[in-house]
Amino acid sequence: GNSVTQMEGPVTLSEEAFLTINCTYTATGYPSLFWYVQYPGEGLQLLLKATKADDKGSNKGFEATYRKETTSFHLEKGSVQVSDSAVYFCALSPFGNKLTFGTGTQLKVEL
Amino acid sequence: ETGVTQTPRHLVMGMTNKKSLKCEQHLGHNAMYWYKQSAKKPLELMFVYSLEERVENNSVPSRFSPECPNSSHLFLHLHTLQPEDSALYLCASSQATGVSTGELFFGEGSRLTVL
Repeated sequence: GNSVTQMEGPVTLSEEAFLTINCTYTATGYPSLFWYVQYPGEGLQLLLKATKADDKGSNKGFEATYRKETTSFHLEKGSVQVSDSAVYFCALSPFGNKLTFGTGTQLKVEL
Repeated sequence: ETGVTQTPRHLVMGMTNKKSLKCEQHLGHNAMYWYKQSAKKPLELMFVYSLEERVENNSVPSRFSPECPNSSHLFLHLHTLQPEDSALYLCASSQATGVSTGELFFGEGSRLTVL
């Protein structure tokens, strides 16, 4: 079956540090890949996506590249802010809008 | 109101109680979802409704009973729950499930505690 594996958190960084949150997946075929973000007290919202190999999704300074050879979709940001503190979920969808999510990784950014 | 609204935001119930969670979307979508969010576990897809018809039921115990009276409303009826059912229950909506955008719009969730 399909599955998504994320690094365990929490990840604690100082403001302006570089961020990487690892995500690997198992799926048949060529799924679309997503990162969702959940700010405190809010629902999940789509951060970025990539629909085919070597695509790069980007939004709000975050980036992730669809790597078919390593079945990965790592999330990166060059300089995090306190306002980026949230839980980040990696997800995949083989078709349609039926998403399989990972466990989520909590990010804490401190001054 | 806009987006996806869930009520109540917090619910505490005993194992013998019957309660319901409500979700309403104002986005003109025709697919709605229930997810369960537990600590250190992947989000679990529970039910999917498309055009008011249930299209997925992921082996969820019968003590959870969904209802979708129209494309804007979704309920989750709860009865004789167990303490391990305590979790954050998230509702989401999207365009029809066959339209592959991958973008779900989530509510803020209903935090359920079963005593």
